[in-house]
Order: sequence, then structure tokens, then C-alpha cells
Amino acid sequence: GEDVEQSLFLSVREGDSSVINCTYTDSSSTYLYWYKQEPGAGLQLLTYIFSNMDMKQDQRLTVLLNKKDKHLSLRIADTQTGDSAIYFCAETFHGSSNTGKLIFGQGTTLQVKP
Amino acid sequence: DTAVSQTPKYLVTQMGNDKSIKCEQNLGHDTMYWYKQDSKKFLKIMFSYNNKELIINETVPNRFSPKSPDKAHLNLHINSLELGDSAVYFCATAGGLEDTQYFGPGTRLTVL
Repeated sequence: GEDVEQSLFLSVREGDSSVINCTYTDSSSTYLYWYKQEPGAGLQLLTYIFSNMDMKQDQRLTVLLNKKDKHLSLRIADTQTGDSAIYFCAETFHGSSNTGKLIFGQGTTLQVKP
Repeated sequence: DTAVSQTPKYLVTQMGNDKSIKCEQNLGHDTMYWYKQDSKKFLKIMFSYNNKELIINETVPNRFSPKSPDKAHLNLHINSLELGDSAVYFCATAGGLEDTQYFGPGTRLTVL
């Protein structure tokens, strides 16, 4: 199946940590991704995690993967107003083709209050 | 140098017209995609090309015809535009072991 679910909205205060959650259905996904979209802009690849990893840290970003529960999360430490954006979780689905397509969640709008 | 570029950035047109959106990449990737983002920000794949060959066609109306003249370009031609075609269209490319997809800046199409 091809389904990725995210909560739609998260509001935090500047300096707090933000945690954005995602669940997916395709257990054969090799990689899972987080993209950021600022208003009126394109999709920026933030980070990705290989499916045999539990955790990946990249500066203020921490990705946690629970493969058993098919749950992915993105933690942003010390959230800044510049982090306000829509965050998309995505998995690669191959189906019958070797070419993968990205299945996106609905996007979580992160609002950072000063 | 922009890795994935799209033209135009904005496109406003009347219903029934035919229009094209162009995409170019300089990453040397073999695979290119078109995605559509609707007004609710939902992103869905439309097409995928690998080495100029159509690989994925996600039940998109045949008014939409992708064309890949070479590996670096994937254009999207849309015939008989309808109101429901209004959206942001993103081109993407993928390559490397991780098959990570990199997106262009998007083309906002408005059909009046």
C-alpha cells in the first residue's frame, strides 16, 4: 500500500524543541525523507534515513525511525522562527518498477512563535 | 548554478489553452519526475522518466504529455487546460545510491 500520514499543524515557542511525526505503510521502503517547504518556495531536502538505521543526527535535526511500528519522527532542537514552514515526510515506493516514486504525507505546518 | 530549474515560475492562462512547462537539470541524473501540488499542499507524482524513457504514469489524463528530448530535460505539455489543472507543478531528479530526489522551484499554474 501507499500511504503516509502526518499531523497537519504544530505550534511551538522559539527555543523549544519541535517533534513532527509521520507513519507510513510500505515496509519495503529503503529510504525515508524529510522535506521542508517555505511559503511560495520549492521543496528542500532536509535529511533522510536508511531503513536499517534507528536514528540519524544532523546538527539541530534528529530523525528517529521505528521500523516495527512504521513510525518516523523529525526533531528540531532550539527551533527558530526561520524554521516556520511545511514539513513533508516521504517514503520511496517502487511497486513493479525499479524507479522509485515518492509518496508524501499531507505536510505538517510548523508555526514558531517568538 | 541551479541544479534543477523550471520555466516559467508563474503561468496564468485561460481554460482551453495549451501550455508547456520546461525542466532542466545539471546533476547528471538519469531519472526525472513531475509532481503536482494542489491547493491543499498535497503532493502527488504524475510521471517519471529514466534515460528518456517513460517509466511511471500515474493515471494522469492524456491531456498531459511529458516529453524528454534528452537526459537533462523533461518538459510537460498540457492540452485543453481545465480549471482543475490549477496547481504548482514540481520537476524532480534522482540519482546516486540513495536515489534521493531533488526538486525544482516549481511552476504555479493558474487556469482562469
